[in-house]
Amino acid sequence: AQSVSQHNHHVILSEAASLELGCNYSYGGTVNLFWYVQYPGQHLQLLLKYFSGDPLVKGIKGFEAEFIKSKFSFNLRKPSVQWSDTAEYFCAVMPPYGNKLVFGAGTILRVKS
Amino acid sequence: GAVVSQHPSWVICKSGTSVKIECRSLDFQATTMFWYRQFPKQSLMLMATSNEGSKATYEQGVEKDKFLINHASLTLSTLTVTSAHPEDSSFYICSVVSSYEQYFGPGTRLTVT
Repeated sequence: AQSVSQHNHHVILSEAASLELGCNYSYGGTVNLFWYVQYPGQHLQLLLKYFSGDPLVKGIKGFEAEFIKSKFSFNLRKPSVQWSDTAEYFCAVMPPYGNKLVFGAGTILRVKS
Repeated sequence: GAVVSQHPSWVICKSGTSVKIECRSLDFQATTMFWYRQFPKQSLMLMATSNEGSKATYEQGVEKDKFLINHASLTLSTLTVTSAHPEDSSFYICSVVSSYEQYFGPGTRLTVT
């Protein structure tokens, strides 16, 4: 079945550590890719998106993601995390020919101060 | 981006009763809204696509007679959980679409006792 996979469900990092969250999808064709963040008690917010063009996209709060078409991946990175980055992160794919989103299972990030 | 509200934010109801959840697009006319549900520690699962002025489109496995969706105006979609049972307890989230981006409401937590 076509799906979106996030590699880690829980990640614990110390402040200033680097972050990389993996996301792979299994849809063929042209897809739109998203990373959303859900801070405790808040609604989903868009971190960044990729539709076309430069495969390295920069988002808010110092996050970036790289689209690697050959690997069907869209990994999220941040060079130095902060305690305030503690949240749940969702990768989402908009498959071809539609505007629905398919979400990964989410990764809960806890940053220790 | 679009601003989306949901009401109520939390509701507790008795088994067998019906509950209506509202999703409002506050600053954007939304012809399409999506309804998701999120179980604890799980990802968002798309339930249905709400289309203004026409019938909703339900995802496979979602009972349309149980989850009634009405999208009567460009700013309001409602989800009614009919004859609710404890297994319907979940977090229900709506979103609106603008230029292939989805903007999410804060969610409604439903607890059925």
